[in-house]
Amino acid sequence: DSGVTQTPKHLITATGQRVTLRCSPRSGDLSVYWYQQSLDQGLQFLIQYYNGEERAKGNILERFSAQQFPDLHSELNLSSLELGDSALYFCASSVDLWARETQYFGPGTRLLVL
Amino acid sequence: AQSVTQLDSHVSVSEGTPVLLRCNYSSSYSPSLFWYVQHPNKGLQLLLKYTSAATLVKGINGFEAEFKKSETSFHLTKPSAHMSDAAEYFCVVSGGTSYDKVIFGPGTSLSVIP
Repeated sequence: DSGVTQTPKHLITATGQRVTLRCSPRSGDLSVYWYQQSLDQGLQFLIQYYNGEERAKGNILERFSAQQFPDLHSELNLSSLELGDSALYFCASSVDLWARETQYFGPGTRLLVL
Repeated sequence: AQSVTQLDSHVSVSEGTPVLLRCNYSSSYSPSLFWYVQHPNKGLQLLLKYTSAATLVKGINGFEAEFKKSETSFHLTKPSAHMSDAAEYFCVVSGGTSYDKVIFGPGTSLSVIP
């Protein structure tokens, strides 16, 4: 158990809809990272928050957004969903801002867009 | 900019024989390098990391990796494979500033034959 929790585990929705994925980091970790894992694109870094502020943005679509709340949990919002958004979405947490320390990964949310 | 290449998409070894998973990286920064493992339908777990201390890094479950700056490599090895080592292995480079803050390699699938 990494100490990182993600909800829901599975999500099935339709094209055009909007969903919210939730992540609670390990106690004491200030950084939260979001990743998308798909068969064709592999594991891609989406975005990082550190202590409530966005600190790095990777290959994240404009239809996607995230935020980190004062209690440090984070949400990833996916809107106007397309079939190609079907993937496994991981969040990870670490103590540092620079992504040089161990990242602890949650179990993931499997999203299926029909 | 940063990038990671994992030279083999699939490696198959017999139980009890050595494992070698190859990783080459490119980075404009002084990178941190990691190996993560993903067992089927599980999240990712850190095997080991290099963050500019000793170039030979020992990890969990008997794995180790050597950072070779001249060859821009960070190959993962294990003297004797176990059945439980069958999984997907990801080489990761981090320490970038934004878009390329965390870059995952495409992964190497390790099969262990009894």
